[in-house]
Amino acid sequence: QKEVEQDPGPLSVPEGAIVSLNCTYSNSAFQYFMWYRQYSRKGPELLMYTYSSGNKEDGRFTAQVDKSSKYISLFIRDSQPSDSATYLCAMTLNDYKLSFGAGTTVTVRA
Amino acid sequence: SQTIHQWPATLVQPVGSPLSLECTVEGTSNPNLYWYRQAAGRGLQLLFYSVGIGQISSEVPQNLSASRPQDRQFILSSKKLLLSDSGFYLCAWGSEGYGYTFGSGTRLTVV
Repeated sequence: QKEVEQDPGPLSVPEGAIVSLNCTYSNSAFQYFMWYRQYSRKGPELLMYTYSSGNKEDGRFTAQVDKSSKYISLFIRDSQPSDSATYLCAMTLNDYKLSFGAGTTVTVRA
Repeated sequence: SQTIHQWPATLVQPVGSPLSLECTVEGTSNPNLYWYRQAAGRGLQLLFYSVGIGQISSEVPQNLSASRPQDRQFILSSKKLLLSDSGFYLCAWGSEGYGYTFGSGTRLTVV
């Protein structure tokens, strides 16, 4: 069993739709949770960083963490074509080594 | 502000040739530094990480090596490349409470 499982996708949604991305994990000791966005042929960029259960909002992005279920989600509201990218979840015990999901490719159709 | 530089952006090398990829960080001191590899359509695989000068931890046994000769410099090397070394190599630095910042990556093709 992989340490971090991410819904593989790909996802294709119309502009303005809500995008929902999910990851589950097996190690209950993970404390820090992140979402990265990666455009084609570029390095990943950090979107959201959280360390507690609950929701965190940043503009159109909401990160949700449920430690009891070992489940994290990222929601993108009012999606735009510029949101088309691969989204990676990541988590860590102590901020030294991240464990990544395999990524979900999202296409937002204009 | 902190920035991370990684070069070259693209590299085509023959099997058996040596490799040297360099990464430098600006605007921070004593960062945790990382080398990752991303195969096509797959997630990120941690290769090496370093918490200080000369301190290297290897995550995956292979023909690659890493060195940290200076506080903000991280180098990935190989004496003899294999076809299986092809991939997208990413350098990153980490800061507690802020996640990782990645470089722009090096796309390596071994032919």
